[in-house]
Amino acid sequence: DTEVTQTPKHLVMGMTNKKSLKCEQHMGHRAMYWYKQKAKKPPELMFVYSYEKLSINESVPSRFSPECPNSSLLNLHLHALQPEDSALYLCASSQAAQGSYEQYFGPGTRLTVT
Amino acid sequence: GQSLEQPSEVTAVEGAIVQINCTYQTSGFYGLSWYQQHDGGAPTFLSYNALDGLEETGRFSSFLSRSDSYGYLLLQELQMKDSASYFCAVKVSGGYQKVTFGTGTKLQVIP
Repeated sequence: DTEVTQTPKHLVMGMTNKKSLKCEQHMGHRAMYWYKQKAKKPPELMFVYSYEKLSINESVPSRFSPECPNSSLLNLHLHALQPEDSALYLCASSQAAQGSYEQYFGPGTRLTVT
Repeated sequence: GQSLEQPSEVTAVEGAIVQINCTYQTSGFYGLSWYQQHDGGAPTFLSYNALDGLEETGRFSSFLSRSDSYGYLLLQELQMKDSASYFCAVKVSGGYQKVTFGTGTKLQVIP
């Protein structure tokens, strides 16, 4: 199984809502990532988890809160978002945060903030 | 920080060969990867170079020159399904390695 799954596929939320994005992989990977991608732009790294511990936070606003409940799951909790946060949110995993060069991406959640 | 530059768009004919260049400026360079992303899809890994030279994987090859901070992706026998965006990405060392993506090149394959 070389698949990373993400739910939901699409999400529309108001600026006062609280929602969560979910990501799951069953490849035994020990590193998981959240990226944000705007239209016609490259993915931008948000967070890196290594062995279920947050190892990199790319100065992401606190309205985005990541969580790694176990080695297979990664969540991104959203609260009080702004319209400019509308984007495709991609989850990825790799065997490890160090030494691995291939990342496996999920299909993403397309988020619209109204 | 890191910066990676790619041409924004390339058009090529089906069956031809196309080269997509990537120049980078970074400290702690570890390796250069290439990813393909179709519209509405997820990025998928194509190749990786840590050392100078050419890596070949089927119709795709990737080249790296560390001294020139330059790499390219070569696609041969182009097919219509190769129409996609292609991103180079640098991996930097030191602590937790992270990947930074280039600006991306949109490849259009025409009949």
